[in-house]
Amino acid sequence: GAGVSQSPSNKVTEKGKDVELRCDPISGHTALYWYRQSLGQGLEFLIYFQGNSAPDKSGLPSDRFSAERTGGSVSTLTIQRTQQEDSAVYLCASSSTGGAIYEQYFGPGTRLTVT
Amino acid sequence: DQQVKQNSPSLSVQEGRISILNCDYTNSMFDYFLWYKKYPAEGPTFLISISSIKDKNEDGRFTVFLNKSAKHLSLHIVPSQPGDSAVYFCAASLNQAGTALIFGKGTTLSVSS
Repeated sequence: GAGVSQSPSNKVTEKGKDVELRCDPISGHTALYWYRQSLGQGLEFLIYFQGNSAPDKSGLPSDRFSAERTGGSVSTLTIQRTQQEDSAVYLCASSSTGGAIYEQYFGPGTRLTVT
Repeated sequence: DQQVKQNSPSLSVQEGRISILNCDYTNSMFDYFLWYKKYPAEGPTFLISISSIKDKNEDGRFTVFLNKSAKHLSLHIVPSQPGDSAVYFCAASLNQAGTALIFGKGTTLSVSS
């Protein structure tokens, strides 16, 4: 079956512009996670959605970052007024139930470059 | 301050030999640990996990060992194969109902034939 997909695969934007990154989770997965990986770093948790519960936004680095999950499926991560330090690979993952212990299936990521 | 540390950025091993990837953590509240494998231009894929109530979990060529007193875990791959060449990430979870995985920076394994 189809895995987690993300679009675009690459995004180059100018400093100060807004960007939207999209994630299509595996059908039926109730949990969706966003992470980012900056150069030379591990994966950094950003936000987590589980069903209809309020999202866990504890990992968002600033109020320029926000995310939505519409209809319990597709999610969009929005970064407003992008900065060069936002350059990273943004990874989306989904799992069949909530809780980090359950296997998370990752998408290929979106490489964001802020010039 | 990193809570999950993979101090070796890279490891080179010959095909057929054992690969040992190490991971240290600082938070004694972590109670679940996972290893992910990542190929270039792909997302990480789950490899193996271990609960804090165990000290060993084995799955085929992959075995994870956990030493809680030392706050250390390791992934053993035996025998190593060229297809195992990838970046390996260690991750930890604060509790079984938790949400965020905390990842190390990864170790790049190269297996030569």
